[in-house]
Amino acid sequence: KAGVTQTPRYLIKTRGQQVTLSCSPISGHRSVSWYQQTPGQGLQFLFEYFSETQRNKGNFPGRFSGRQFSNSRSEMNVSTLELGDSALYLCASSAQGIGNQPQHFGDGTRLSIL
Amino acid sequence: DAKTTQPNSMESNEEEPVHLPCNHSTISGTDYIHWYRQLPSQGPEYVIHGLTSNVNNRMASLAIAEDRKSSTLILHRATLRDAAVYYCILLNSGYSTLTFGKGTMLLVSP
Repeated sequence: KAGVTQTPRYLIKTRGQQVTLSCSPISGHRSVSWYQQTPGQGLQFLFEYFSETQRNKGNFPGRFSGRQFSNSRSEMNVSTLELGDSALYLCASSAQGIGNQPQHFGDGTRLSIL
Repeated sequence: DAKTTQPNSMESNEEEPVHLPCNHSTISGTDYIHWYRQLPSQGPEYVIHGLTSNVNNRMASLAIAEDRKSSTLILHRATLRDAAVYYCILLNSGYSTLTFGKGTMLLVSP
């Protein structure tokens, strides 16, 4: 069974640009969550999508947005990039996205802002 | 949001048991306790989770205090491959809240 796939693995952008990251969940999983990881803040939850609807959202500005397609693949978009957006962005999938189920993470996209 | 507290780091010798503590004094009755670990340059990996009773799987055991305000992840025989950052996470059954601890960096010496 293929795991969670995130593309690209590495990305370099400059301030003011926008970026789109992609996540393909495990087949059959309908919940996809996105996280930002930085050395100072650790893992922080961005948002979760279930059946193409955003079901839960963390405390990030509106520059961070996402969507989910009918095949459960998800994209995350960050507009007007800032230096502080440099981080590892992780996506995780689970069958239903509820608390009694494990989440399966991809290896992340490392985003560097120059 | 319920929060977790973990030690910043712990050390162990190979082949010895490791007990990784986590405090979650404000846990709600519907919060599941999950443990994940993260090796360098990889995404987090699920280890184990539980609600009230102690749990065992092939990777580890999870001991949950009777009042559920703390839990302990037990690695029965540490190996070098267990060296990672371990995260204690609370996931609400309704998926309405997510809280992460800072994690414990486990160092394993041969």
